[in-house]
Amino acid sequence: DSGVTQTPKHLITATGQRVTLRCSPRSGDLSVYWYQQSLDQGLQFLIQYYNGEERAKGNILERFSAQQFPDLHSELNLSSLELGDSALYFCASSGVQETQYFGPGTRLLVL
Amino acid sequence: AQSVTQLGSHVSVSEGALVLLRCNYSSSVPPYLFWYVQYPNQGLQLLLKYTTGATLVKGINGFEAEFKKSETSFHLTKPSAHMSDAAEYFCAVSDRSSYDKVIFGPGTSLSVIP
Repeated sequence: DSGVTQTPKHLITATGQRVTLRCSPRSGDLSVYWYQQSLDQGLQFLIQYYNGEERAKGNILERFSAQQFPDLHSELNLSSLELGDSALYFCASSGVQETQYFGPGTRLLVL
Repeated sequence: AQSVTQLGSHVSVSEGALVLLRCNYSSSVPPYLFWYVQYPNQGLQLLLKYTTGATLVKGINGFEAEFKKSETSFHLTKPSAHMSDAAEYFCAVSDRSSYDKVIFGPGTSLSVIP
């Protein structure tokens, strides 16, 4: 158990819909990262937050957004969903200058 | 820009045989290096990491990796494969200045044959 929690574990929705994925980092970790894992693209870094502020952006679509709240949990919002958005979405957290620890992931299926 | 290559998207070994998963990186300066394992339907788990010091790094579950600067490699080995080692393995790199910008390789799927 990495100490990073993600909810929900599974999510099934339809094209055009909007979903929110939630991540709670390890106790004391200020950084939260979001990744997308799909068969064709592999593991792709989406975005990082540090203590509530956006720190780095990767291959995140404009339809996707994220935020980190004062209690340090983070949410990833995916809107206008397309079939190709079906993937595993991972959250990771880390302390300052420390290794990233991953959550169990949320499996999103868009029908 | 940094990049990571993993030779062999799929590797099969017999139970009890040596496991060797290859990783090469491209970086202007030696980066931090990581190996993560992903078991079916689970998240990524850190196996081991190299930041500085001894180039042979020991990790969990009997795995180890050796940083070879001259070969820009960080291959993962385990002397004797166990059925429970069947999983996806990812090599990753990050800047020495920051753990934040981690770049993952494409992964190698390890199968263990009884």
